[in-house]
Formats: sequence, structure tokens, C-alpha cells
Amino acid sequence: TQLLEQSPQFLSIQEGENLTVYCNSSSVFSSLQWYRQEPGEGPVLLVTVVTGGEVKKLKRLTFQFGDARKDSSLHITAAQPGDTGLYLCAGARLTGGGNKLTFGTGTQLKVEL
Amino acid sequence: DAGITQSPRHKVTETGTPVTLRCHQTENHRYMYWYRQDPGHGLRLIHYSYGVKDTDKGEVSDGYSVSRSKTEDFLLTLESATSSQTSVYFCAISADRVSPLHFGNGTRLTVT
Repeated sequence: TQLLEQSPQFLSIQEGENLTVYCNSSSVFSSLQWYRQEPGEGPVLLVTVVTGGEVKKLKRLTFQFGDARKDSSLHITAAQPGDTGLYLCAGARLTGGGNKLTFGTGTQLKVEL
Repeated sequence: DAGITQSPRHKVTETGTPVTLRCHQTENHRYMYWYRQDPGHGLRLIHYSYGVKDTDKGEVSDGYSVSRSKTEDFLLTLESATSSQTSVYFCAISADRVSPLHFGNGTRLTVT
């Protein structure tokens, strides 16, 4: 089983602070996806990064894929309470049977006023 | 929710009983997946399907079986539920083998 380690597991910050979540593996993935999950709901895709070194921005969220396609980071600038949720990274391995994802264990983020 | 409905949303059952969870999609997507989510383990793939009657095992398939007789429906069966199968189960779909997954809202299963 290919492992994806996320850190930190839990993060509680004040509104306006910046934060970075890390997703690391010893395996190479064809792409890496970031999801956000809210209580009682399924994960929702935020972004997919495909190329080593790629950086994508989604408003205040910046995603980076490592040069070797083994790791990724999510940086949030000026966090807001609406950013609260469980953030999951997932490494994709393309097989004949579909887009098989290996998920990290998640980072639970709480942003307080 | 990309047209994905999971049923039931909550279920409590006793050890040793059979349980079937249903995933229904209205997107006509070819690929469907069943994951379980547990604290400390994240989401783990149980089984997936790449077409009608075409299924394969994921990393935690023991104790589970699946069936897909129609494009829109993917069933997950626990033949004889055990307490270790208490979890939240998510169905996901994707249009093709490279597209990202869209998830349903999950089924919370408790085996007592």
C-alpha cells in the first residue's frame, strides 16, 4: 500500500492567520488531488496538480506539487472561518480499472474568529 | 453532489446480519467506487467498477462484495456484518479513468 502522510493532523488558528498543510509520500503519483470535506458530506475536489513543480492558485489557496511528484503542499493565506473543514490529499495512480486514489489521513482545520 | 445518491444515510445493524448499501448516479458515468472512512485511516478503497458487470477489488475488500447490473447503480454488500465494519461508507463516480472523483454524502453504518 502506498502511504500518504499529511501534517499536521489538527490545526486550530485565528482568522487572518496563514497556514500550510503538507502531504508526503515515498511513491510517485501521476497526479495529486486536494479535497475538502465538511461534516456529514463527502469530499469535494479543490484542485488537481499533474506536473512536477506545478503551482495552482484558488483564491486564497495555493497548491504546489513537488518536483519529483511525491509530495504536495496547500497554503492558505488569511484564513477565514469558512475555510474550516477536513482537508485531504489524494495521490492518483492510473490503472486499466480507473483513477485509483490513495488518500492521506487528513488535516482537520478550525479557523476561529 | 454530481447526481449521486447513497441509501440509506444511516443504518444500525447487528453482528452477523447481511447489509446492502446502494449508490445511485444520474450522470451516466462509467466508473464507480466504494470507499470507507475511518479515523486515522482516511479513505480506503473497497471495490470499484469500470462498467456494467465489471468490478475489481480495492485495498480493503475482505468481507465485502459488490454488484453493478446497471450503469446507474452500484451495490455494496456485507454478507455477515462485523463490528470492524462500523464506518462511514462513501460512493464516488468518475466519467473516465483520468477524471477526478465526485463523492456522495456517505452512509454511516454501525454494527453492534
